[in-house]
Parts: sequence; C-alpha cells; structure tokens
Amino acid sequence: DQQVKQNSPSLSVQEGRISILNCDYTNSMFDYFLWYKKYPAEGPTFLISISSIKDKNEDGRFTVFLNKSAKHLSLHIVPSQPGDSAVYFCAATTLSGNTPLVFGKGTRLSVIA
Amino acid sequence: ETGVTQSPTHLIKTRGQQVTLRCSSQSGHNTVSWYQQALGQGPQFIFQYYREEENGRGNFPPRFSGLQFPNYSSELNVNALELDDSALYLCASSPGRASTIYFGEGSWLTVV
Repeated sequence: DQQVKQNSPSLSVQEGRISILNCDYTNSMFDYFLWYKKYPAEGPTFLISISSIKDKNEDGRFTVFLNKSAKHLSLHIVPSQPGDSAVYFCAATTLSGNTPLVFGKGTRLSVIA
Repeated sequence: ETGVTQSPTHLIKTRGQQVTLRCSSQSGHNTVSWYQQALGQGPQFIFQYYREEENGRGNFPPRFSGLQFPNYSSELNVNALELDDSALYLCASSPGRASTIYFGEGSWLTVV
C-alpha cells in the first residue's frame, strides 16, 4: 500500500523551460511534505518543504504547491537547468514526530540543453 | 554537504554473513534514522533512534538492529544476510524527531 505516489518515473524538459514534478498521497494525517533530489552515487539532498498550513512555498527557482483537498503536491523548477537532472523524491510525514518520512519511488528528471 | 558521514561506502558480503554499517551524525543532531533504498524504489524506513533509544521501526525483521551512541553516532547491523538485502543503506540525522532529515551518501551493500 503506497502512501506516497509519484506516477511519472521519468520526465524530459528543455533547458530554460519549466519542470513540473507531481506527487500524490493517501494518508490524510500527513501534514508536512518534502522534496529531495538525488544524484547517482550520492545520498538524497533536501530541496524544499511545505507544511499543510500553506499552499505554496518558494525558494529561488523551486516552488512547491500543495492541494490538500486533492492530496496532491507538485514541485516546479523554473527555469530548468542541465544541473537539475537527477532523481526527485517526494516525502511526507507528520509534524507530531510519530511518523517517519514516507517516500515515493522518485521521478528521474532529464534537462536537455 | 550535509555533515552526515557513512562507512563503508561499498561492500560485498556472502549470504548468511553479518554486516555492520556506521554513521556519524551532523553536529547538534540527536536523532538518526536508517533507510534502505532498493533499485528503482524510494528510501524505505528501517528505524529511528532518539537519544540512544529506538523511537520507531518500519516493516523490517528483527535481524535488522541498530545502536546509537552518546555522541549520537550510530550503527546498523544486519544478521543472516539474504540476497534481497542488497541495496543502498542511508543514514539520516536531524535536530529532533519532527524535523527535516539530512542524508549521508549511503553504503552500497551487495549480497552474493
């Protein structure tokens, strides 16, 4: 039973355009969401997070949107750069601290120059 | 760089053997979590330690065990290795139980 789903295993985007990575969750107890980026042979790196009291959080080229009613979040990267090519993991948890991070299977983003 | 270091980076073990993986947490972080990432999957939670006590465990058998030391470094031990234990093992530390976690680079385990 996958509580966090990333339904697109891969995504290709032209350099300079917008990348949109999607994530759905099923557990309504989740109230804190994170995105991690992973290069080959490295551990996941924290990118951006959002709590359920917000519907948008922005950090430079990265914006995360949260739609609680649809149990859906998305990560927007604009403009996309070749160095953004990596696997992106969506993760969810509860701020009470009683739930570990639950990860999706990841989406491999390729930004083509 | 997250300040979380893991060793060894790669190792090969034979089925039935035992393995110990080590992790040094980021300074000031009192919580450490271990995750297993199999090929094509997201990281799966194994367990978490907070101030040297196990604070939660995922769906892994008892042959997966851990320790956290007073300096907040940690070990993951796996006994009676099986072929399916081949994976990337990730250690992550955080300043509290309900915080963003920061991963090390992982230990690649191959069981043959």
